[in-house]
Amino acid sequence: QSALTQPASVSGSPGQSITISCTGTSSDVGAYNYVSWYQHHPGKAPKLLIYEVTNRPSGVSNRFSGSKSGNTASLTISGLQAEDEADYYCNSYTSSTTWVFGGGTKLTVL
Amino acid sequence: QVQLVQSGAEVKQPGASVKVSCKASGYMFTSYNMHWVRQAPGQGLEWVGIIKPSDGSTSYAQKFQGRVTLTRDRSTRTAYMELSSLTSEDTAAYYCTRDSSGWAFDYWGQGTQVTVSS
Repeated sequence: QSALTQPASVSGSPGQSITISCTGTSSDVGAYNYVSWYQHHPGKAPKLLIYEVTNRPSGVSNRFSGSKSGNTASLTISGLQAEDEADYYCNSYTSSTTWVFGGGTKLTVL
Repeated sequence: QVQLVQSGAEVKQPGASVKVSCKASGYMFTSYNMHWVRQAPGQGLEWVGIIKPSDGSTSYAQKFQGRVTLTRDRSTRTAYMELSSLTSEDTAAYYCTRDSSGWAFDYWGQGTQVTVSS
């Protein structure tokens, strides 16, 4: 199972919006609405931001939103803040009854 | 509150095995599946496998098939990950993480650093 494809890095200024893409195949992202997104600050445990493509867990800011079209899922962060600077990972359930992560995207807030 | 507390850091020689524990509290242990995820230095997150605590059934990433074993002890609410035939490429932080039943990972352990070095 190959990792899902994410851009290595994205950047934006405070207050702006950015979108991180996550491209898989018809056996994972395209097959199921079981895409999730995680924020990971180095040295800490990852944090769930989005599950089932579009749903936010309780306590997660509504500045984070998710979507999907075909084999590509996306995470949008609006109103960028300094504390959003972190690594972001997508994840999908697969037809092999396994899960797969994206390679990760480093977000820099300029 | 939900907590996953993992065992401490390990240093192992190449070829050895390591067993990491993850003690759950604050929820019904057998009602939620448990995943294991690792992150090697400078690398991304990597899914290792899943165990269903209610019946012990497992599924592993193909990469780890034959080298990893996930088990659980329902009496102590603890999940375990054992990885054998260690190489330097297995040096990583290993996390246990609860399956939210929304096919995502909602609570995470603090991570266990495993270092493989001669």
